[in-house]
Amino acid sequence: GENVEQHPSTLSVQEGDSAVIKCTYSDSASNYFPWYKQELGKRPQLIIDIRSNVGEKKDQRIAVTLNKTAKHFSLHITETQPEDSAVYFCAASIGGYALNFGKGTSLLVTP
Amino acid sequence: DAGVTQSPTHLIKTRGQQVTLRCSPKSGHDTVSWYQQALGQGPQFIFQYYEEEERQRGNFPDRFSGHQFPNYSSELNVNALLLGDSALYLCASSLFLEQFFGPGTRLTVL
Repeated sequence: GENVEQHPSTLSVQEGDSAVIKCTYSDSASNYFPWYKQELGKRPQLIIDIRSNVGEKKDQRIAVTLNKTAKHFSLHITETQPEDSAVYFCAASIGGYALNFGKGTSLLVTP
Repeated sequence: DAGVTQSPTHLIKTRGQQVTLRCSPKSGHDTVSWYQQALGQGPQFIFQYYEEEERQRGNFPDRFSGHQFPNYSSELNVNALLLGDSALYLCASSLFLEQFFGPGTRLTVL
């Protein structure tokens, strides 16, 4: 089955700096790659996603890149703010089926 | 427009008991997926329901079963509860690719 690796497990940055989280996947059939943000005690919230026919997607301070050849994708957050502090999960999926999640990255943004 | 809802919020059971969790999808969504999230881990896929049928199943034992109703709502049943079943159970609804999660049910097995 699909295996998704996520790094780093923890990340601490100062407010205003950029944060980058990287994921790799194993199943070349995967074609949909969402990112979720989960605050403590809350539900995972979809923040951005990318499909395999696109190399990069940006939404304000958040961007995601995909390298299908290398089977890795990354989340970039620019101008980080304290409210960006949360656990971020990457996932990979084939079509609209099961999401296979990474183990998560705990991001701390210090003022 | 209500998002994905789940009930109950919290549940405490003892080993060997059975539990039923419920999920109502976002309006317009026809697919429901269930995930188990242990503390400090990413969600693990249990199964997905579409058109009242189990369309895909993850690596979970037969003690985990489900159902989808004609109105697209869904239930997750777990029999013969084990201590290791303690977790946050999340359902997610979708129409195409994007899956939107409910708030989850926190299950504690004593």
